[in-house]
Parts: sequence; C-alpha cells; structure tokens
Amino acid sequence: DTGVSQNPRHKITKRGQNVTFRCDPISEHNRLYWYRQTLGQGPEFLTYFQNEAQLEKSRLLSDRFSAERPKGSFSTLEIQRTEQGDSAMYLCASGDRVNTEAFFGQGTRLTVV
Amino acid sequence: SQKIEQNSEALNIQEGKTATLTCNYTNYSPAYLQWYRQDPGRGPVFLLLIRENEKEKRKERLKVTFDTTLKQSLFHITASQPADSATYLCARDDKIIFGKGTRLHILP
Repeated sequence: DTGVSQNPRHKITKRGQNVTFRCDPISEHNRLYWYRQTLGQGPEFLTYFQNEAQLEKSRLLSDRFSAERPKGSFSTLEIQRTEQGDSAMYLCASGDRVNTEAFFGQGTRLTVV
Repeated sequence: SQKIEQNSEALNIQEGKTATLTCNYTNYSPAYLQWYRQDPGRGPVFLLLIRENEKEKRKERLKVTFDTTLKQSLFHITASQPADSATYLCARDDKIIFGKGTRLHILP
C-alpha cells in the first residue's frame, strides 16, 4: 500500500464548469476526510466519512459541493459551477478510528480561470 | 464558537536552539490535540497526539505539552536543524480541525 492517492494532481477549469476529484484511502481505513487549503492558511475542514456514511459537512460549503463514498472505499468530491474562489488545494486524508491520526494525500490543485 | 488558534504566523529560530510553537483553544475542551508538519506543496504529516490526561509526550527531538488550565498546547523542537523548517499545524477533534499553522524557519 502506497498511502493515500489523489487524482488528478492538478486541474485547470473554466469558470462555470463542473469538476470531480477522486481519493483512494489507505486500505481498511474506515475514516476519510476532505479539506480545502489556500495559500498561507491551514487546511479547512469540508466533510468526513465513517465507512460510507457522511458524518458531517461544513456549513462553509455551498450546495455546489458534494462528496460521496459509495462503497466505503474511494471517495469523490464534486464541485458544480466552479467559481474563481474555488481555486485551492483540495486534500484528502484517511484514518483508522482507533488510532485517530490521519494520513494525507498529495492533494489536487484546482485553478479556476 | 469553538476555536483553535496558532498565534504566530511565522517564527525564526537559530539552528541548534529550541523552537517552541503555541496552540490555544477556546470555548472547548478537546479530549486530545494533534500536531502535524506540512512542507510546501505537500499534505500534512502526523507527528504527535497528546490526550487531555497527558501532560507531556516526546518523540525523538519533539516534545508536546497539554495544559488544560491555560487551554494551551506547546510544541517544542530541540536542537533545531534547517531541515525542521516547515509549517506546523495543531488540530482538534475527530474531524481533525486545524489551526492556521505556524511557519517555522530554522536559520543556519
């Protein structure tokens, strides 16, 4: 197992387009987290899953954002009708509930032009 | 609202000295706090977790303390090296809510 994998690593899209990112967690990790990070800021919590159940979604997120983890393994994060303010690094992490620490992927850098 | 704050945006420390970073929390009593390191363009990497009933935890040159009276955690790097230069993040909760981070620069 090579750790948490995120695809794509980079995405440039035009304003108004929809984008989808994928996260493959470490196998058998039942928790999966999504964050957004802009320059000079800490990662901002978006949502997290326990297996396939989405436990919480940040109130900071608009309805344009949705995340799924249909079989409790990989997860997707979709942003509809992208705006320039969505430009950021999107980070995914996974964890084993018992140990609580999270393992992060390399992130997907989104640029909305 | 429940907040976790890292008051120093940046910290410059001379090589060989001890770097001390601060994490404060308000309106909340976390059961544990975590510390992560983040290098530019990469995801955070877990360093240490300290629980509320633990006053101190160590790992090699790293030490974390947890003071529930002051509502504060301190993160120390002893005998600092230029390779320790990075952003250090503290985090609370099962959701792993992060502070803004402190950019640490170890000056040779």
